Amino acid sequence: GQQLNQSPQSMFIQEGEDVSMNCTSSSIFNTWLWYKQDPGEGPVLLIALYKAGELTSNGRLTAQFGITRKDSFLNISASIPSDVGIYFCAGHPQEEINNAGNMLTFGGGTRLMVKP
Amino acid sequence: EAQVTQNPRYLITVTGKKLTVTCSQNMNHEYMSWYRQDPGLGLRQIYYSMNVEVTDKGDVPEGYKVSRKEKRNFPLILESPSPNQTSLYFCASSFAGAMNTEAFFGQGTRLTVV
Repeated sequence: GQQLNQSPQSMFIQEGEDVSMNCTSSSIFNTWLWYKQDPGEGPVLLIALYKAGELTSNGRLTAQFGITRKDSFLNISASIPSDVGIYFCAGHPQEEINNAGNMLTFGGGTRLMVKP
Repeated sequence: EAQVTQNPRYLITVTGKKLTVTCSQNMNHEYMSWYRQDPGLGLRQIYYSMNVEVTDKGDVPEGYKVSRKEKRNFPLILESPSPNQTSLYFCASSFAGAMNTEAFFGQGTRLTVV
């Protein structure tokens, strides 16, 4: 399957700091999604991006669909302790679009730890 | 409440003993899939189903089976579990079609095979 390279793998930051993480691929993606996984839970969708160049915010979170369609970033501003968790990027590779399926490819995740 | 329900949440079993992890969704989604989550590897798709009686292999299907006899249920079957199948498993569902992309995940099943 397609590979999504997500970085960093982990971050340990002070409460109030801004956070930035990104995903890159060697292939074109038609959608980019960012999920958060709380400890002991399944991933929950934070932001969905559907167009190259799209910049979308959800509260303190901002994500962008890269213009080349091969990358995306997620920023979290003014982090708080409840931001702790694993953040996953995910996307639909262009080659899957004609299969009428929804096969999502996931990055390896960024584990975020916030020190109060 | 719209949800994806997996059972059990935790399971410890022995090598070779057949097991089934159930998954049920109440959102009338056509598309369902199973993922396993391992440290540093993210979520890897095991099998998916685009509708009743339509299933296909994902990236890591070896050692697993699935069935989709009803729209709401998508059980994952391990006929002869092995220790390398110790993992955290997630079921997900969504509407079919390229633009309806939000996948809803269950709470996960932590499986240990000894």
